[in-house]
Amino acid sequence: ETGVTQSPTHLIKTRGQQVTLRCSSQSGHNTVSWYQQALGQGPQFIFQYYREEENGRGNFPPRFSGLQFPNYSSELNVNALELDDSALYLCASSLRGFETQYFGPGTRLLVL
Amino acid sequence: DQQVKQNSPSLSVQEGRISILNCDYTNSMFDYFLWYKKYPAEGPTFLISISSIKDKNEDGRFTVFLNKSAKHLSLHIVPSQPGDSAVYFCAATGTSGTYKYIFGTGTRLKVLA
Repeated sequence: ETGVTQSPTHLIKTRGQQVTLRCSSQSGHNTVSWYQQALGQGPQFIFQYYREEENGRGNFPPRFSGLQFPNYSSELNVNALELDDSALYLCASSLRGFETQYFGPGTRLLVL
Repeated sequence: DQQVKQNSPSLSVQEGRISILNCDYTNSMFDYFLWYKKYPAEGPTFLISISSIKDKNEDGRFTVFLNKSAKHLSLHIVPSQPGDSAVYFCAATGTSGTYKYIFGTGTRLKVLA
């Protein structure tokens, strides 16, 4: 059974640029959630995708957007990067109707 | 407004003794709670969960207790081992609608050999 994978592991961008982060869900899972974890904080919910549609969103601006593909993999896109976007971005997959989410290793984004 | 709070940023325990990590929540709509362990440079690893219909759940060395009236849960690790040293996050969710997790800020556990 393959776990949740994310790419890239690290990324450096400059303010104003755009970034795309990728996630492959665990085998058999159909729901993907994205979280942002700033230094010293717990992960914060960005949004969740189920059946290729956004199914719930946290308190993040519209420049954070996402996609889910038919194979349940997902992308997180962030436009007009700001310094405060520097964080660890975590993807979690789950099977709809089952509450436990399983996390990938994360992508560490640094915005300069 | 922080709906899930872990008031102890760090905890040190001797190997073999009990580790008790605490978590408080404010939202009465939460009905499912989880504990995750996180090592540096890794994603959170699921440890144990509990539904609000139960007050205790056990898995090997890990036991989670839920006190709904106090809106409090705790994770007990017995016996503690050096490999348990990590940051522990509690998370809460409501199981109707989006299963978005609300996380606490974490407790760093150090188990001393």
